[in-house]
Amino acid sequence: QLQLQESGPGLVKPSETLSLTCTVSGGSISSSAYYWGWIRQPPGRGLEWIGSIYYSGSTYYNPSLESRVTISVDTSKNQFSLKLSSVTAADTAVYYCARHPLWRGLLRGWFDPWGQGTLVTVSS
Amino acid sequence: DIQMTQSPSSLSASVGDRVTITCRASQSISSYLNWYQQKPGKAPKFLIYAASSLQTGVPSRFSGSGSGTDFTLTISSLQPEDFASYYCQQSYITPITFGQGTRLETK
Repeated sequence: QLQLQESGPGLVKPSETLSLTCTVSGGSISSSAYYWGWIRQPPGRGLEWIGSIYYSGSTYYNPSLESRVTISVDTSKNQFSLKLSSVTAADTAVYYCARHPLWRGLLRGWFDPWGQGTLVTVSS
Repeated sequence: DIQMTQSPSSLSASVGDRVTITCRASQSISSYLNWYQQKPGKAPKFLIYAASSLQTGVPSRFSGSGSGTDFTLTISSLQPEDFASYYCQQSYITPITFGQGTRLETK
């Protein structure tokens, strides 16, 4: 059964870079059928897609965050990572990683399964 | 960006009730619409893809319909474990966007 697990610091100072890693177990991140995505949820609020990456390194980003986001993949470790620079309090959120399948050959799929999520607080 | 608007934002219902949640897209998204259930402190759970296809293992009391800009999620007979928040998500075009959520509460 495929499982995803986020890891990284739970507290980041304003203006610094948030870094998280998602470790995939029970399946290969190098499958041609899937992208791998990051989604976040500020406390008490809705879901926001951050971006998704293919095992080849091809990425799609949310334009609202694109200037500050880098998503990378390490197929040897079956992991993908998120970096978000110049963070502010508005970036405080639970960050989720999830598998993001291609649908009819395009990035038109859903997110399933999800990691349990990790709360990242931006504060000095 | 495609805006996804859910209604109602919150809903009170009782066990056994039939409930319907609506999701409207700001432009046509064909049938590229997915639904999730989220319980407090937990990750979202994937329920329905392509507007009306039930994910494996999801109870048949859940159903989805719609195409174009208007979609619905229906729970035919509410069970105690169904009280949660529900989100729609369009996958027609990036940026992928979610509805603001519908909180289903016990009456």
